[in-house]
Amino acid sequence: DAKTTQPTSMDCAEGRAANLPCNHSTISGNEYVYWYRQIHSQGPQYIIHGLKNNETNEMASLIITEDRKSSTLILPHATLRDTAVYYCIVTETSGSRLTFGEGTQLTVNP
Amino acid sequence: DTEVTQTPKHLVMGMTNKKSLKCEQHMGHRAMYWYKQKAKKPPELMFVYSYEKLSINESVPSRFSPECPNSSLLNLHLHALQPEDSALYLCASSQGRYQPQHFGDGTRLSIL
Repeated sequence: DAKTTQPTSMDCAEGRAANLPCNHSTISGNEYVYWYRQIHSQGPQYIIHGLKNNETNEMASLIITEDRKSSTLILPHATLRDTAVYYCIVTETSGSRLTFGEGTQLTVNP
Repeated sequence: DTEVTQTPKHLVMGMTNKKSLKCEQHMGHRAMYWYKQKAKKPPELMFVYSYEKLSINESVPSRFSPECPNSSLLNLHLHALQPEDSALYLCASSQGRYQPQHFGDGTRLSIL
């Protein structure tokens, strides 16, 4: 499975955009990039996923570089409720297995 | 509110007990998953069911026995667990491969 590398922690001011990077240099052509987050004491929550193109939904935007070796999750206007561990995951080719890395602890400060 | 319901939320059991964790979803999803999450660690996949058949077993010890009685229900039967099995057990479901997984909030299991 392609491995991902994320910073251990990041801080963001409330109301500002949070940009969370992820490196996945060994990703293969048919592997998707998924982002989940886990708020303390809750199960992981799906945020967004993509293959090649940039994606946007009501929660976030996903920017994938042209060579697909890295991506950035953007939370456009972070709130205190966005404080969580954010996981960048590359699915293996069958699409059935999610392998979580250590993730990034995002802390949104007032 | 999560659409995947796990019961019980907390469970304390002795090493000789037999207990079961239950997971239910009514989204019509055909794939269901069990994960284990130790404190301050990411979730680790244990089992995957696809169309009620076990498709992935990540070399999980036999003291954990999954069961999928129907497309909406997933059980994890526990027997003779060890203290190191204390963890948060998460259930998830998805429409199919490459589809987002929806997680429950887990059962926090403590083995005495």
